[in-house]
Amino acid sequence: GAVVSQHPSWVICKSGTSVKIECRSLDFQATTMFWYRQFPKQSLMLMATSNEGSKATYEQGVEKDKFLINHASLTLSTLTVTSAHPEDSSFYICSAAQDEQFFGPGTRLTVL
Amino acid sequence: GDSVTQMEGPVTLSEEAFLTINCTYTATGYPSLFWYVQYPGEGLQLLLKATKADDKGSNKGFEATYRKETTSFHLEKGSVQVSDSAVYFCALSPNAGNMLTFGGGTRLMVKP
Repeated sequence: GAVVSQHPSWVICKSGTSVKIECRSLDFQATTMFWYRQFPKQSLMLMATSNEGSKATYEQGVEKDKFLINHASLTLSTLTVTSAHPEDSSFYICSAAQDEQFFGPGTRLTVL
Repeated sequence: GDSVTQMEGPVTLSEEAFLTINCTYTATGYPSLFWYVQYPGEGLQLLLKATKADDKGSNKGFEATYRKETTSFHLEKGSVQVSDSAVYFCALSPNAGNMLTFGGGTRLMVKP
């Protein structure tokens, strides 16, 4: 089956630093990757849709300068949280899509 | 726009009890319907899906039938286990494309 990995699985950083999260499709090429954010006991909130080789499309209310998305290849997308603050602490989940989305295991970010 | 509504949790059951989690949707055309499961601290796993009316998706003892007349996709299991404790998300994807619209999630707790 289609496997999607995320790295790191969890990260703790100081306020003001930047954090990069990688999302990889391990056994297929994904034309589209999605980034979600999930707050405790809530559903997934779509942050952005990323197509290989083009700029990401951000959902309303998501700061594109704060959440930088790069989709350099058909198997890798990265999300960089710039100048992280405690309110950015959350669970970030990516998915990689062919005809349907396959989800990564998530990355828990804690900003101190 | 498209939307998914599922029953609020938490749902607490004893082991071997019958489970129903209701899900209804609003969408144009003929979407595909999904149930995803999220275990604590993990990403989403596809549990089952149905792509057209009257289709029944099934996996690991769980079933859901695509009912177009009632715009529903209720999740059922005849005998739950403690290991089924998780959060369950109902979702839909439009006929064309791979975007997902999620319901709010339903937390299931199964007690021994």
